[in-house]
Amino acid sequence: GENVEQHPSTLSVQEGDSAVIKCTYSDSASNYFPWYKQELGKRPQLIIDIRSNVGEKKDQRIAVTLNKTAKHFSLHITETQPEDSAVYFCAAPLTGTASKLTFGTGTRLQVTL
Amino acid sequence: DAGVIQSPRHEVTEMGQEVTLRCKPISGHNSLFWYRQTMMRGLELLIYFNNNVPIDDSGMPEDRFSAKMPNASFSTLKIQPSEPRDSAVYFCASIGTGSAGELFFGEGSRLTVL
Repeated sequence: GENVEQHPSTLSVQEGDSAVIKCTYSDSASNYFPWYKQELGKRPQLIIDIRSNVGEKKDQRIAVTLNKTAKHFSLHITETQPEDSAVYFCAAPLTGTASKLTFGTGTRLQVTL
Repeated sequence: DAGVIQSPRHEVTEMGQEVTLRCKPISGHNSLFWYRQTMMRGLELLIYFNNNVPIDDSGMPEDRFSAKMPNASFSTLKIQPSEPRDSAVYFCASIGTGSAGELFFGEGSRLTVL
């Protein structure tokens, strides 16, 4: 099955700085890579995703990059704000089951003033 | 649509009791997933259904856990008998063929087994 590793487990940045979270996956056939944000006591919600036919995707202050050769993808948050504080999860699907996602262990991001 | 609806939101029970968690997926979504979240193990997929049929239950930890989906709008996850190590937040999520891959989660059911 798919194995997804995520680093770091915790990340503290000052407001306005950038944050980068990295994930590696094991299944070279995986073709869909979403990122979910989970605020304290809330449900995970999709914030951005990327498919294997592109190398980068941006949505305002967040971006995701994908390196299929190295089997890793990263989440980049620029100009961080206190409301970015949350746990972020990467995920990748099991081959042949596009919707069966394996999640990374999560990164707790703390944006300090 | 109201989104994925789960009940109860919180449950506190004693070891040995039966626990039933319920989920109503988003109307029109044909795949439903049960995840368990703990600090130690993160988000674990327990079981998922496609068109009401269980496809993969390899994540179900023990025979004490069972899940059903009698129709397209309702699923249950049952634990019998419950144990303290079952304490976790249980999320139900659904996805439709037209969702472009986005998994929609319910608010979760926080279970505490004393």
